[in-house]
Amino acid sequence: AQTVTQSQPEMSVQEAETVTLSCTYDTSESNYYLFWYKQPPSRQMILVIRQEAYKQQNATENRFSVNFQKAAKSFSLKISDSQLGDTAMYFCAFSGGGADGLTFGKGTHLIIQP
Amino acid sequence: DTAVSQTPKYLVTQMGNDKSIKCEQNLGHDTMYWYKQDSKKFLKIMFSYNNKELIINETVPNRFSPKSPDKAHLNLHINSLELGDSAVYFCASSQVARVPGYEQYFGPGTRLTVT
Repeated sequence: AQTVTQSQPEMSVQEAETVTLSCTYDTSESNYYLFWYKQPPSRQMILVIRQEAYKQQNATENRFSVNFQKAAKSFSLKISDSQLGDTAMYFCAFSGGGADGLTFGKGTHLIIQP
Repeated sequence: DTAVSQTPKYLVTQMGNDKSIKCEQNLGHDTMYWYKQDSKKFLKIMFSYNNKELIINETVPNRFSPKSPDKAHLNLHINSLELGDSAVYFCASSQVARVPGYEQYFGPGTRLTVT
């Protein structure tokens, strides 16, 4: 079974700063998929970014990018030019690609200060 | 149009009751899921279902049962509710068969409170 670890329960940065959220995982699978989901106070789960393990290139989506280190089993999320609307819980998640659902980390509560 | 919808969004009930939460997706996805988010915000898969196969997380009590009347719906039935069942329940869907690792789309969640 796979595990996902997020070691930062809470982080706080000033608006416009860059922040990096860490995530490590453990799996014996060779092909898998990694995700970052955002959960604002509205509680809706929103996909931020997706990475396929067989792709070496790090995924980027506007101000969001990942640093995927397959050998180290590390998948960190970088948010550039942070905005007040980025305040939310951020969850790292693992999928083996089958229909057995996502394995989530415990989340990081990110607070963007004005 | 809402991609994944759940009803109700809030549910307050007493211990021992039986309740259901409905979920519908209009994305044409082949797989649907139920997750439980506890009071510490931890999300855990409960079930996944793709109209041929039901995968059950072994830690889920058998008081919980998913029922799928068709490909677009996966309802969650809970019997003999207990205080520890209080949580937010999320339905999700994805297209697994043709696009392995495709992201899951989540419903808005149902906050269940058992008193």
